[in-house]
Formats: sequence, structure tokens, C-alpha cells
Amino acid sequence: GAVVSQHPSWVICKSGTSVKIECRSLDFQATTMFWYRQFPKQSLMLMATSNEGSKATYEQGVEKDKFLINHASLTLSTLTVTSAHPEDSSFYICSATGTGAHEQYFGPGTRLTVT
Amino acid sequence: GQNIDQPTEMTATEGAIVQINCTYQTSGFNGLFWYQQHAGEAPTFLSYNVLDGLEEKGRFSSFLSRSKGYSYLLLKELQMKDSASYLCAVTGGATNKLIFGTGTLLAVQP
Repeated sequence: GAVVSQHPSWVICKSGTSVKIECRSLDFQATTMFWYRQFPKQSLMLMATSNEGSKATYEQGVEKDKFLINHASLTLSTLTVTSAHPEDSSFYICSATGTGAHEQYFGPGTRLTVT
Repeated sequence: GQNIDQPTEMTATEGAIVQINCTYQTSGFNGLFWYQQHAGEAPTFLSYNVLDGLEEKGRFSSFLSRSKGYSYLLLKELQMKDSASYLCAVTGGATNKLIFGTGTLLAVQP
């Protein structure tokens, strides 16, 4: 089956620093990748949609200058949280889908804690 | 606007049957997904409905009525490991992005 990995699985960083999270599709080419954020006891909130080789499309209310998304290849997308603050602490999950596919395959998630 | 509603919490007994409802109002519709999510983990795929009717897969079944903007997930022969959040999500538009409902936290009791 389709496998999506994320790295790191968890990270603790100090306020004001930047953190990069990687999302990789291991056995298929991901034409589209999605980034979600999930706060405790809440559902997944879509942050942005990224297509390989083009700029990401951000959802309303998501700061594109704070959450930098790069989708440089068909198997890798990165999310960089710049100048992180404690309120950015959350569970970040990526998903990927191939050409013409309807199902999204989710990565295992990255838990970010900003101190 | 986009709106997907589910009950916040449900409780059921081991061995029983439970139905989790989902109603949606979205600007586009390409299909409806159900995902299971255990605490601290990513969602795992359960079912996908694009046409009206019932899709059965083992102990899990999912139903869709597009005219009513309604779906349900039916879990039979409940097991303790079924205690989790169940997320209803609708996909639509050119990007096929998923819009998730609020999620239903199911507690299975002995």
C-alpha cells in the first residue's frame, strides 16, 4: 500500500526558532500534498495544499510567511514553522495523493512543542 | 460555506452496534471519507463513498445520501480497540482537498 512518512515524529524547540518538518511518499509519486494541524481534542484543520513544482495554496487564516511549504519533488514536501511560538505547539500531519487518485494517505504526524 | 457536523461523543457496549452520523453542506462534492484516529496518531482510512447507498467492509459499513447531505458509519460487533475518534471528511473541487468534520469520540465499554 501507499506509505507516507514524516520526520521528525516529535520536536521540542525554543520560542523564536524555526522548525522544518518533512513529509515523504515512499512508494508512489505524490502530485499533491496536504498539511494539516490538529490541536488537542479537535479535528484536523487543513493548512495548505501543495502541488509539486508550484506555490502552495493556503487556507484562510493561515499565514504563508510563517508556515513555509516547499514541494520540490514528487516524493517530498516540507513545512517550516518560522519564528515558532508556544501557540504553534500542535500535531502537524501531512497527507499525499497521486495523480487522479481520490484517497489521501496520511503520514504518522509530527508533534511540535514550543517552549 | 463549508459545514460538516458529527456528534461530539458517543458511548457503546462491547459486542453491540453503533451508528455515527455525519451531515454536510459543502460547495462541492466529490466523495465522502470516514477515518479512524486513535489519540496521538494519524487518521487511518476506513471507507469512501461517492455514490448513494451502503458500502460494507467487514465490521464497518458506510452509507451515503447525496440529496440529503448525510452519511453514517456503522460499526458492528464492537471491540474495545474500536474506542477512537471517527472523522467524517468531504472532498470536493479541483484540488480534492478534504474538509474534516468535528470528529466523534467513541468510547466502547465492557
